[in-house]
Amino acid sequence: KNQVEQSPQSLIILEGKNCTLQCNYTVSPFSNLRWYKQDTGRGPVSLTIMTFSENTKSNGRYTATLDADTKQSSLHITASQLSDSASYICVVRRPPYKYIFGTGTRLKVLA
Amino acid sequence: DGGITQSPKYLFRKEGQNVTLSCEQNLNHDAMYWYRQDPGQGLRLIYYSQIVNDFQKGDIAEGYSVSREKKESFPLTVTSAQKNPTAFYLCASSIGDRDTDTQYFGPGTRLTVL
Repeated sequence: KNQVEQSPQSLIILEGKNCTLQCNYTVSPFSNLRWYKQDTGRGPVSLTIMTFSENTKSNGRYTATLDADTKQSSLHITASQLSDSASYICVVRRPPYKYIFGTGTRLKVLA
Repeated sequence: DGGITQSPKYLFRKEGQNVTLSCEQNLNHDAMYWYRQDPGQGLRLIYYSQIVNDFQKGDIAEGYSVSREKKESFPLTVTSAQKNPTAFYLCASSIGDRDTDTQYFGPGTRLTVL
């Protein structure tokens, strides 16, 4: 079954700390993996897109990793800020047109 | 000011009524999508369109209908046949449907059935 599972479901950290979010997938065939940030009541915004051959991709304080052999990805957030409070969604593209969405990790950054 | 817009932001519907959610983009994107988001679940695809005058059903198309008469517009109608329509609806667009094309999402419409 094609699934994307994210952990933890929710996370609370203090401002300035780092954190890592996990994504495991069983989607096959696999085209690429995406991470989105979704603020409450808003649409998701793309953070990174990683293809099969990419291991790491950064976008400012966000660094995504991908291990296509173990079908695992992580999103590392460095020096967290209050504005990082949001849900982070892992999405796997299964060719040709299908996107499989995870349920997201809800991150809360406290001052 | 380029982007993708959805209206209204909040919509209330009585049981048995059809309602239409608007989605407009001025990004000159060919592909457009409608998703539904429910608490504790990942986004689920309702319909998608790769080009004007063409669209395909997604995973949960029952009770919904769409049209794509113009490149920039992809309205979604929630019919009375949709048994549980209360949800957050997201429209997205992408330049095409190639592997690494980024999907841009609108701000969403929250539909509540009274």
